[in-house]
Amino acid sequence: NAGVTQTPKFQVLKTGQSMTLQCAQDMNHNSMYWYRQDPGMGLRLIYYSASEGTTDKGEVPNGYNVSRLNKREFSLRLESAAPSQTSVYFCASSEAGGRLYEQYFGPGTRLTVT
Amino acid sequence: EDKVVQSPLSLVVHEGDTVTLNCSYEVTNFRSLLWYKQEKKAPTFLFMLTSSGIEKKSGRLSSILDKKELFSILNITATQTGDSAVYLCAVGGSQGNLIFGKGTKLSVKP
Repeated sequence: NAGVTQTPKFQVLKTGQSMTLQCAQDMNHNSMYWYRQDPGMGLRLIYYSASEGTTDKGEVPNGYNVSRLNKREFSLRLESAAPSQTSVYFCASSEAGGRLYEQYFGPGTRLTVT
Repeated sequence: EDKVVQSPLSLVVHEGDTVTLNCSYEVTNFRSLLWYKQEKKAPTFLFMLTSSGIEKKSGRLSSILDKKELFSILNITATQTGDSAVYLCAVGGSQGNLIFGKGTKLSVKP
């Protein structure tokens, strides 16, 4: 099993460019999440999808959009990248939403916006 | 506002030492506390704790939760250089997400 996969692994964007980060899981999980990790800030939730067809904002959603394409895939889009979006982005999935299920993380995408 | 505070933020020990990492939390409707290990890539799951006083163990790692005092500790005995990592504590939030602390960076010297 691949678990949670993310593409790309690295990306450099210029301010104002757009891009989509892809995430897929093969564990038949219902819930998927996007986090960003910045030095000294820990992991913060951007958006999540409790189940196929639903998405909700997390702690830091501004500047991002998401699409839950199907049960396996959850993408994160930056419409107009800004230097403040330089970060490491992690996708995660869990069997269900709620607080009794551990989340499994993908390998991350390191994004630099210049 | 839900929050998770870990201490210390960083720690340097020598191989063979025993370390204790701390995690305190304030969260509405607590249901679970999780520990993750992060080495230069994705966090990997270690433990999930839901009940007070029940120790979870995996090899040299163990963890326990005190729901009355709102904290958890992660113990690592006989540390090895391979234990060097950032250890993250997280608590289930009201949105179904995990609320993470800032982590404790553990460095184990040979």
